[in-house]
Order: sequence, then structure tokens, then C-alpha cells
Amino acid sequence: AQSVTQLGSHVSVSEGALVLLRCNYSSSVPPYLFWYVQYPNQGLQLLLKYTSAATLVKGINGFEAEFKKSETSFHLTKPSAHMSDAAEYFCAVRGSNYKLTFGKGTLLTVNP
Amino acid sequence: KAGVTQTPRYLIKTRGQQVTLSCSPISGHRSVSWYQQTPGQGLQFLFEYFSETQRNKGNFPGRFSGRQFSNSRSEMNVSTLELGDSALYLCASPEGAVYGYTFGSGTRLTVV
Repeated sequence: AQSVTQLGSHVSVSEGALVLLRCNYSSSVPPYLFWYVQYPNQGLQLLLKYTSAATLVKGINGFEAEFKKSETSFHLTKPSAHMSDAAEYFCAVRGSNYKLTFGKGTLLTVNP
Repeated sequence: KAGVTQTPRYLIKTRGQQVTLSCSPISGHRSVSWYQQTPGQGLQFLFEYFSETQRNKGNFPGRFSGRQFSNSRSEMNVSTLELGDSALYLCASPEGAVYGYTFGSGTRLTVV
């Protein structure tokens, strides 16, 4: 079985500051891990994915995430926040049954 | 290429009624997954169809059902609607060999 824990339901940063959104996972098989972003009244947009090719994964809009097996973590970072990054972010793990299991989400607020 | 198309975008139904939602996956993709998103429960897996066969099912009552047609379009049906069925229903289509799912914009169902 798979599970995902996102630490912090709400993260607030200043524009230009580092963004760090935390995700820990549990998986009985080597995981595929994903970060999605959701803007109000929209679906989920894939930011990046880990597929075992490289532990540091670069995604869209300047985001990246590092897979750390020893810590079962897949934290999302961005060096400098923009106002347009304000949204809800979801970490997800895919198991062998093709089902995505999502964390509860982290709402990112960017202050001017 | 076209993305995942969900119709309608918004629905308002009365308790006890039934509703049918539609999803067309990315052209050429044979798999479709459905998810329910609510503020309380977050994103939860409903079911997945592959080549007209249900491959996986989440932990939802039998009032929730689905099907997939030969052209890969999928429908989900909810019978005897309850207030708690109010949610954003998202459809997803796998993207590439490692299933970074592409999501549609969703159908917002409100049960009154």
C-alpha cells in the first residue's frame, strides 16, 4: 500500500524567497512520485515526476524536487517565489496498480 | 495534441437524482481514471478503466459506477445523490510510459 504525507497544509512566503514544500511517502514497491499544482477552479497540472532515472528532478516553472530514499522524501523547491506560484500543491505516489495516492495538499501563499 | 476533456464543467443536482459525467482522454490513450476531490477527504481514487474494462476500483459505494466505450471515452454515474457527493470530479489520462497522469479541468457537482 502507498501513502503520502505533506507537512504543512499552508505555507506562506514572500515574493523572491525560497519555496520548500515537504512530502514524505510510503510505498511497498519502488515508487513513482509526482508533484501537481492546482489553481482555483481548475484541474491538476503536472509539475514534475520521479521515475528512478535521476534523484534530482527538474520540472516546469522553475520547480525541482529531490528524491531521498533513506528519508522517504520528495520535497519540492523553487529558489525564488513569484506571485503566480500561489496555488495548491499536491504530492502523489503511484503504486503497481496504476492508482495515484495523493497527499492532503499544501496551499502556497506568496506575499508581495 | 488535445488534452483531457470533461463535460459538463458545472452541474447542480437535487438529492436523490442521478448524474452522468463524461470524460474523453488524450487521443490514442486507452486508460482513464476518475478521482473525487472534496475539502474534507481530499483527492480520492474512484476507478480506472483500460480498454473498456474496469481495472481498479476505489473504496466508494455502489452508487458510483462507470464505463468506458470503444473510443476510450468514459462516463461515470452517481445514483441517488447525497449532499456529500458534492465535489470536483477529475478525470485523468496517463502520459507516457511512466504514467504522469494528465488531468482534465474537472466537473464541479453541487448537490442541493
